[in-house]
Amino acid sequence: DIVMTQSPDSLAVSLGERATINCKSSQSVLHSSNNKNHLAWYQQKPGQPPKLLIYWASTRESGVPDRFSGSGSGTDFTLTISSLQAEDVAVYYCQQYYTPPRITFGQGTRLEIK
Amino acid sequence: QLQLQESGPGLVKPSETLSLICTVSGGSISSGSFYWSWIRQPPGMGLEWIGSIFYSGSTYYNPSLQSRVTISVDTSKNQFSLKLSSVTAADTAVYYCARRVFSGWIDYWGQGTLGTVSS
Repeated sequence: DIVMTQSPDSLAVSLGERATINCKSSQSVLHSSNNKNHLAWYQQKPGQPPKLLIYWASTRESGVPDRFSGSGSGTDFTLTISSLQAEDVAVYYCQQYYTPPRITFGQGTRLEIK
Repeated sequence: QLQLQESGPGLVKPSETLSLICTVSGGSISSGSFYWSWIRQPPGMGLEWIGSIFYSGSTYYNPSLQSRVTISVDTSKNQFSLKLSSVTAADTAVYYCARRVFSGWIDYWGQGTLGTVSS
């Protein structure tokens, strides 16, 4: 299985500041068949299921604010929130889908307001 | 708008079988573009993929759970189900049903149901 490791485990950022969450895969998730990175990001608020934010590492899901962006390639990826809002407090997960239908998630990063 | 809803007993005794059903509304489970999946989340912990099923009945399981998991589909009822046998306290979790696009990400989730293993 591809192991996904996120850093940091938790993060505190001031309102309006940039938040950066990292995700590293144990092997490349860049697929030669389509030259795309098979990686997604989710946001999970307390008591709710996860919500899809980004797929193909950098494609924003419809309706997701443009302050959320994804970047990276191969084994190293980043989720960036350009200007943190109070409603962004949540746990964020990365997920690889390089070996479908098997998928694996990172352990999660808890984002709080400083 | 697609909706998924989990249902089933919330409390199961150790060594017994956890059985859950996911009812899909607002769309057909027979669409050929999606995998129908189960994912779980122990309290305060991360997400673990349990397995997925295609509408045709083809199944795919997490190797760590494969010996105890059965996922099935009932297209006539627009439902799919999960059975996890020989449960222990380590199987206590919120169980989510979800729709996975063929490419690989999950675009719709149920609200989740807590499955507690306790005597």
